[in-house]
Order: sequence, then structure tokens, then C-alpha cells
Amino acid sequence: GEEVAQTPKHLVRGEGQKAKLYCAPIKGHSYVFWYQQVLKNEFKFLISFQNENVFDETGMPKERFSAKCLPNSPCSLEIQATKLEDSAVYFCASSQSWDRMNTEAFFGQGTRLTVV
Amino acid sequence: AQSVTQLDSQVPVFEEAPVELRCNYSSSVSVYLFWYVQYPNQGLQLLLKYLSGSTLVKGINGFEAEFNKSQTSFHLRKPSVHISDTAEYFCAVSDPTSGTYKYIFGTGTRLKVLA
Repeated sequence: GEEVAQTPKHLVRGEGQKAKLYCAPIKGHSYVFWYQQVLKNEFKFLISFQNENVFDETGMPKERFSAKCLPNSPCSLEIQATKLEDSAVYFCASSQSWDRMNTEAFFGQGTRLTVV
Repeated sequence: AQSVTQLDSQVPVFEEAPVELRCNYSSSVSVYLFWYVQYPNQGLQLLLKYLSGSTLVKGINGFEAEFNKSQTSFHLRKPSVHISDTAEYFCAVSDPTSGTYKYIFGTGTRLKVLA
């Protein structure tokens, strides 16, 4: 598609429940990024993929967060045993490449996760 | 590590007045610089980017920004704002030498255009 599609738009989970978020990058884009936006304005990088391979996972909390980008499937971000502090908007972005011509990330609309 | 500072959390301005939103970054090494806009309950939309070359960059919706290496700044400007420009504006940096391609974002500036 021509835009980054994230589902669901909203997700409510009780503390301790699992949350799974999906992202379909723009067709032809090799890189996928996940960011967490907390307190409305603070963006935190979580993880990036180059095709189905993890490219940079330096921002991922080690214990409860995992992510995948499998061929012919949307990418996913999963949070096991959610905590109140996981409440945030999770943005997915994709990029065609990262050379001088194509250095730009296109963002989805985000998934608002509320943990109650 | 790179950091981005947007000193103004809110900027109120009257319609048709000029505006400047400030952005400073921490490192003087080669960087890529971006300005994104976020409308309520929306994702981020790219306004403009600086990768190399001319220090004055023109973007969409009449916005422009100037890269100043000595000041490590990348301020966003518009000569005449509209009500529809009311939104959150984020400055972001990417370090092309790091090999990670991730953005480091500032904390955003809320532009409120008043009638």
C-alpha cells in the first residue's frame, strides 16, 4: 500500500494481559521502525528491521517486549504482561532505504495502548 | 549520544504573522535533520529534511528551515501562518555514521495559531 497501516487504532488491556500491535509498511520499503510516544511528546525508539531481520534493537525493553517482521505478513510488536507504564501511542514507520535519496521515514497513524 | 532540544514547548501566534520554531542538536558531526508535524490523533508527516547541500531547505505548506552547523541549529520558519498550521511540530536527528538509521526526537513545540 501507499501508506503505513497500523492496527488496531486503540487497544485497552488489563494489567498483566498481552498486547499485540500490527504494522503493514509501505510496499517496497525495506526498513521498519517502532517508536513509543509517551506523555504525549516523548518519542522513544524501540526497534528497527531490515526486511525480516532485526536491524537495531537497542531501545527494546528486554523482558516483556518482542517484535517480528515475517515475509508476507504485517510486522508485529507484542507486549507480554502489560504494565501501566506501557500506556502510550506506538508508532510504526517505514523507509525505502537510507541512502541520500531516500532518507525519510513514513509514519503510520499509531496504536493507542491503554493499560488499566 | 545525540540529543535534540526544542526549547519552546508552546508558541502562540496570530494568523498571518511569521513564526520560528527553534531546534538545536547536540553534536557537530554530520547529521541528517528533519521536521515533522503531528495533527491531533494523527501520525507524523514530514515537512522537510536536510541531508546535505544548501543550508536553506524548503518544505511543504510554505515552511522552510535553515541548517546552521556552527550553531548546531535547524530552526523552522513560516512567513505567514494559517489557523490550519495549529499542530505539534517535532525536530528529529539521524546520525548517518551510526549505522542505525533511527531518529532522535525533540520533545515537540505546540504551535497555536490564533484568529
